[in-house]
Amino acid sequence: AQKITQTQPGMFVQEKEAVTLDCTYDTSDPSYGLFWYKQPSSGEMIFLIYQGSYDQQNATEGRYSLNFQKARKSANLVISASQLGDSAMYFCAISPQGGNQFYFGTGTSLTVIP
Amino acid sequence: DVKVTQSSRYLVKRTGEKVFLECVQDMDHENMFWYRQDPGLGLRLIYFSYDVKMKEKGDIPEGYSVSREKKERFSLILESASTNQTSMYLCASSLRGSYYEQYFGPGTRLTVT
Repeated sequence: AQKITQTQPGMFVQEKEAVTLDCTYDTSDPSYGLFWYKQPSSGEMIFLIYQGSYDQQNATEGRYSLNFQKARKSANLVISASQLGDSAMYFCAISPQGGNQFYFGTGTSLTVIP
Repeated sequence: DVKVTQSSRYLVKRTGEKVFLECVQDMDHENMFWYRQDPGLGLRLIYFSYDVKMKEKGDIPEGYSVSREKKERFSLILESASTNQTSMYLCASSLRGSYYEQYFGPGTRLTVT
């Protein structure tokens, strides 16, 4: 069974500051992928970043980085230099070995304050 | 660019009606998925398909069926719509294999009255 937990229903951050969105997961699979998606108010889900369970280094994509702590089963998203356009829902997801199914968390609503 | 399109952004149907939600992707992806999204519950998988005419139940298949007659098209069918099926429906597609990201359509907000 796979489970993703996002404990922060809502977060606020000042523009240009960094923010961390928490994600913990539970899986019995030895190999898996972790993903973060952004959903603006328009509704479309936008892929942000991916981390493989065997990747030694934390993934980075521009202002997004994934703080992967395998022993703690956490995969937190760090957004640096927040922008007003970062205001959105953010979802963490896990895909076990085989990669056909994703399991999503309940999401965190991020609001960037000018 | 990967493009996933859904037939409607907003849909209003009456209880008991048969409802078809269509999803088309243009990147030759093997996998296609239907999710529903409700506040506080995140995305929940209804069905997915890994090939033409193949389908697998997700976590909440009750009250839904699917059809995949062509690789690029995946349809979600509500045989007899009920008010508890009022929700946002998201379609996604991906390549087959480990850990490819899913690409999502814009969503269909369905209201059943």
